[in-house]
Amino acid sequence: QKEVEQNSGPLSVPEGAIASLNCTYSDRGSQSFFWYRQYSGKSPELIMFIYSNGDKEDGRFTAQLNKASQYVSLLIRDSQPSDSATYLCAVNPLMDTGRRALTFGSGTRLQVQP
Amino acid sequence: DTGVSQNPRHKITKRGQNVTFRCDPISEHNRLYWYRQTLGQGPEFLTYFQNEAQLEKSRLLSDRFSAERPKGSFSTLEIQRTEQGDSAMYLCASSLDSAGVTDTQYFGPGTRLTVL
Repeated sequence: QKEVEQNSGPLSVPEGAIASLNCTYSDRGSQSFFWYRQYSGKSPELIMFIYSNGDKEDGRFTAQLNKASQYVSLLIRDSQPSDSATYLCAVNPLMDTGRRALTFGSGTRLQVQP
Repeated sequence: DTGVSQNPRHKITKRGQNVTFRCDPISEHNRLYWYRQTLGQGPEFLTYFQNEAQLEKSRLLSDRFSAERPKGSFSTLEIQRTEQGDSAMYLCASSLDSAGVTDTQYFGPGTRLTVL
């Protein structure tokens, strides 16, 4: 079982719709969770992070975390064609282990149709 | 506030040659990370520095790979005797040590290595 799992997609949504991207993780002790956007041929760009159960909103983006279910999601409201990219979920381990490396999923490719 | 920079952006080399990549982190960031990403996969962690100390290394980091951060500022990643399997995007990220839970890592543009 991979440590961080994402559906590879592509997830196709019409312009203006809500895109819902999901991620599950295996390490129950994981403490913080990140969403990165990556355009083809470019490096990952941070969208937002979350570490408390519940929802966190930033503009058109909402991250949702459920530690009991080991599940984190990203909602993109009013999707635009410019949101078409691969979205990477990343997990940070327990901070008191001294480990700082992020573990990434393989990403979900989002296509927003005009 | 300039971002993370990496040089070169592209490197083509022949199998068996040595290559070295450089990363300059965001100026006030004391943590620096190296990752490797191949097509269709997420970045995979290689190694991490806090200031000049290399604190964590992945099992992926074979003895052909070495990384340094001599003065706690820029870092270099050297690959000796390159193999075709080393072809990938090499990503550098940096973060600022804080007392909080999060350790937010910002990535540079990457160095794309092609081994012929």
